[in-house]
Amino acid sequence: QVQLQQWGAGLLKPSETLSLTCVVYGGSFSGYYWSWIRQPPGKGLEWVGEINPSGTTNYTPSLKSRVTISLDTSKNHFSLNLSSVTAADTAVYYCARGLYTIFGLSFDYWGQGTLVTVSS
Amino acid sequence: DIQMTQSPSSVSASVGDRVTITCRASQGIRSWLVWYQQKPGKAPKLLIYGASSLQSGVPSRFSGSGSGTDFTLTISSLQPEDFATYYCQQANSFPRTFGQGTKVEIK
Repeated sequence: QVQLQQWGAGLLKPSETLSLTCVVYGGSFSGYYWSWIRQPPGKGLEWVGEINPSGTTNYTPSLKSRVTISLDTSKNHFSLNLSSVTAADTAVYYCARGLYTIFGLSFDYWGQGTLVTVSS
Repeated sequence: DIQMTQSPSSVSASVGDRVTITCRASQGIRSWLVWYQQKPGKAPKLLIYGASSLQSGVPSRFSGSGSGTDFTLTISSLQPEDFATYYCQQANSFPRTFGQGTKVEIK
């Protein structure tokens, strides 16, 4: 059974860097699109970015200058760094496994979510 | 970016009702459409991919249809555990985008 378990700091000050890690238990680590998705309180889902099986990253344009997603295959984990955070970055951040089929990319397994609050 | 618009934003229904949620893409996405269910405080759960393919383990009362720009998610007979928020997501291109969500509430 595949499980994604994530952790990271939940309270940040403006201008600090958000860092989250997601460990993948069970199943293969290769061949998937490892992704981060966030959800501001009371709002909808926003895709942050992904790292694909070849190690190429793709990010949402509005965050591209501040975000880095990396992969450590030896430890079966991937990470999100988001620099220079502001209150607008306050959200629940989810890690997710992206499965690419002939119908495109869907997210079939998700982490439990981490609420990150940015406040001075 | 491809904009995804869901309607309605919320729907009140009773157990046993048939519920239909619509998702419209701002440009054609073939059948590259995904539906998720999210309950309060929980991560989203994959229901349907490829517009109409049911994810393993999802009850058959859920079904999806559509292609191009217009898609629907139907719950044929609403059960108590189906009260949740539903999101569509286009799987066609970057950036991946979601609809704003449809909340299914108890009438």
